[in-house]
Amino acid sequence: ILNVEQSPQSLHVQEGDSTNFTCSFPSSNFYALHWYRWETAKSPEALFVMTLNGDEKKKGRISATLNTKEGYSYLYIKGSQPEDSATYLCASSPPGTYKYIFGTGTRLKVLA
Amino acid sequence: EPEVTQTPSHQVTQMGQEVILRCVPISNHLYFYWYRQILGQKVEFLVSFYNNEISEKSEIFDDQFSVERPDGSNFTLKIRSTKLEDSAMYFCASTGGNMANEKLFFGSGTQLSVL
Repeated sequence: ILNVEQSPQSLHVQEGDSTNFTCSFPSSNFYALHWYRWETAKSPEALFVMTLNGDEKKKGRISATLNTKEGYSYLYIKGSQPEDSATYLCASSPPGTYKYIFGTGTRLKVLA
Repeated sequence: EPEVTQTPSHQVTQMGQEVILRCVPISNHLYFYWYRQILGQKVEFLVSFYNNEISEKSEIFDDQFSVERPDGSNFTLKIRSTKLEDSAMYFCASTGGNMANEKLFFGSGTQLSVL
């Protein structure tokens, strides 16, 4: 059974702080890793999709890295702003399947 | 920007009743999905759908669940006889292709409460 884990479960940071979260997945059964940002009362929105070991993606102040050999991905937020407050979900999709397996998410609260 | 729309946003029903959750995927997308999140738990895959048939389903998606694309735009999830444990936020999603590196476009969800 594919199990995706995220840590921490929740995080409070001060405005301007940089922060990072972890997503771990089974490295032996991997095809792609997704990061989604989910704001309250909105739909989850894709941030990144990564497939290659060593991949790094960046979108503004948010970036992500991927290590498929050891089965983890980091999401970094530089200079956190209150509008970054959201739940950040990662999902892994194994090869040969249409399903995306989600972690429990990291709830980020940025305090002004 | 194109978006996935879901109706209703909230649905309250009595145990044993049938419910239909509706979704309009992005118009040029071909692959459709239902996910759900029970409060405090992970977002769970229910079913994927392509070319008018189910591509894959989870063990959650038993005989009480069905999906349909009744016309060219709607994608529905039916729960025939709802149980208390079906209470969850149900998300519809779509993708343009079937590669696992395709990002999911989610609707804003239907909060189903079974009493």
